[in-house]
Amino acid sequence: EAGVVQSPRYKIIEKKQPVAFWCNPISGHNTLYWYRQNLGQGPELLIRYENEEAVDDSQLPKDRFSAERLKGVDSTLKIQPAELGDSAVYLCASSKEGFQENTIYFGEGSWLTVV
Amino acid sequence: KNEVEQSPQNLTAQEGEFITINCSYSVGISALHWLQQHPGGGIVSLFMLSSGKKKHGRLIATINIQEKHSSLHITASHPRDSAVYICAVRSNSNYQLIWGAGTKLIIKP
Repeated sequence: EAGVVQSPRYKIIEKKQPVAFWCNPISGHNTLYWYRQNLGQGPELLIRYENEEAVDDSQLPKDRFSAERLKGVDSTLKIQPAELGDSAVYLCASSKEGFQENTIYFGEGSWLTVV
Repeated sequence: KNEVEQSPQNLTAQEGEFITINCSYSVGISALHWLQQHPGGGIVSLFMLSSGKKKHGRLIATINIQEKHSSLHITASHPRDSAVYICAVRSNSNYQLIWGAGTKLIIKP
């Protein structure tokens, strides 16, 4: 079974440029998470989807970050415009039946460097 | 005080040693996760616990709900076990996943 797939794996952009990350969760997983992880720190939740609905976006910086999960499957996270402080690893994760306890599976992450 | 505390922060051991990483939490939880992150790699879920003990290969995870404490053990440690091990708990009030700071483990050959 394929795991959570993310792309691009690595991205280097200049500040003020836009960037987008894509995530394909495990088939059948209705819950999808976007996390941001800075070096040496634990992941920070940006947004959580149940199917196509964003049920927790309280930590998403909405002035520059946006996310969508059309049709409740793939998801895209966008940053526009990027700032130097956005350099981090952006992790996508998925699980089945979000409010019940199930194992969370993570993608390999998209490493963003803003210069 | 953090809601999820891990100890030690850093651990260096020789190959073959028995490793224990601890996690204490202060909130009510529905489950606890142990995860592994290799340098430059993604996060891999090792265990999800709500009670008792689980074993997978050389890895053992235990949880004591009354004491709000969990341990991850690695038997016969190997250099490839070198990674950051993260404890995360699912709050039973708002279903948020609360992360520990991680334990950086280095196993020397």
